[in-house]
Amino acid sequence: GQQVMQIPQYQHVQEGEDFTTYCNSSTTLSNIQWYKQRPGGHPVFLIQLVKSGEVKKQKRLTFQFGEAKKNSSLHITATQTTDVGTYFCAVFKAAGNKLTFGGGTRVLVKP
Amino acid sequence: DAGVTQSPTHLIKTRGQQVTLRCSPKSGHDTVSWYQQALGQGPQFIFQYYEEEERQRGNFPDRFSGHQFPNYSSELNVNALLLGDSALYLCASSNSSGASTDTQYFGPGTRLTVL
Repeated sequence: GQQVMQIPQYQHVQEGEDFTTYCNSSTTLSNIQWYKQRPGGHPVFLIQLVKSGEVKKQKRLTFQFGEAKKNSSLHITATQTTDVGTYFCAVFKAAGNKLTFGGGTRVLVKP
Repeated sequence: DAGVTQSPTHLIKTRGQQVTLRCSPKSGHDTVSWYQQALGQGPQFIFQYYEEEERQRGNFPDRFSGHQFPNYSSELNVNALLLGDSALYLCASSNSSGASTDTQYFGPGTRLTVL
């Protein structure tokens, strides 16, 4: 099945700085979804990308799907303490309505 | 508009016991998926229920079984519990029709600890 790897596994960011987390696959992906899970919480859907080279923005968050549809990135500008949590990428497989998650990037923000 | 609800929130069991977890989907949703999230890892797909039948299954043993009721709520049963079954069990609901069939809404989860 489709496997996605996320890097880095951990990200320590100074408040106000930018950072990027990456999601990579060895195979072409039909889509990529991003979720955020706060400490002690559950995954919350952020966005879905389906087109090659697609870029979507949500306030300080910018999501990108690679031209070859084998990778995706999430860039956060001017990090705030509210950005703390684990960010997961996931591939949605229509045949079965099944999500395959990456291992996540755990983000800690230093005030 | 009620979101996905799960019960109980926490559960402690001993090895060999059986457990039942419950999930009520978001209003208007007819499909329920179950995921297991071990500490520090991403959620792993267990199975999905639609029209009261198991539609898709992940790589989990037969000790994991489920059920969906006519009101779309669902149960996850785990028999002969092992220490390795300790995890957060997440229920996600979705709609089989409409514009966003690929968007899943997760419940708060049930934290299962096996001693």
